[in-house]
Amino acid sequence: DQQVKQNSPSLSVQEGRISILNCDYTNSMFDYFLWYKKYPAEGPTFLISISSIKDKNEDGRFTVFLNKSAKHLSLHIVPSQPGDSAVYFCAASGYGGATNKLIFGTGTLLAVQP
Amino acid sequence: EAQVTQNPRYLITVTGKKLTVTCSQNMNHEYMSWYRQDPGLGLRQIYYSMNVEVTDKGDVPEGYKVSRKEKRNFPLILESPSPNQTSLYFCASSLVRDSKGQYFGPGTRLTVT
Repeated sequence: DQQVKQNSPSLSVQEGRISILNCDYTNSMFDYFLWYKKYPAEGPTFLISISSIKDKNEDGRFTVFLNKSAKHLSLHIVPSQPGDSAVYFCAASGYGGATNKLIFGTGTLLAVQP
Repeated sequence: EAQVTQNPRYLITVTGKKLTVTCSQNMNHEYMSWYRQDPGLGLRQIYYSMNVEVTDKGDVPEGYKVSRKEKRNFPLILESPSPNQTSLYFCASSLVRDSKGQYFGPGTRLTVT
């Protein structure tokens, strides 16, 4: 049973436009959410996170939105750049803010076209 | 430089030949974990360790062993590899609470023929 789902395996956007990556979860006990970015031949690297007490967190071009009632989060990248092309994983944790036990989604491959 | 290292990065082996993938971190993290990444399945946890001599099964532990004799090292052992263990493996480490979650190694691409 997939507790964290990324239903879009891939997404293609034009440079300069907005990229929106989506993630749904089923476990209402999750209280901390993270996005990781992965380039080929490298390990995932942290991008941005959000606590369940917030509904938005912003860091430069990246914004994560959390809709607890819908059990949905999204990552917005504005403006998108070719260097953003990577696989993006969302992850969730339900241990009072602990981030060692993470449940990952299946990933979305983002391609930003020049 | 803070990092998680894994060796080897690439490995091709045959069914049944025991192998070990090493993982080391230099951030004094208590928590370490192994994941495998497979197409369409994302990252699935194999084993994790909360501290030295404390290990526990993750979601897909069958066919794997781990040990944590030192805080910095967390090797993954495949006693008798099988083709279904062909995958991309990642080691990760973290504090229990860190707003940036886990820090990942560069990955080990394993092929079992």
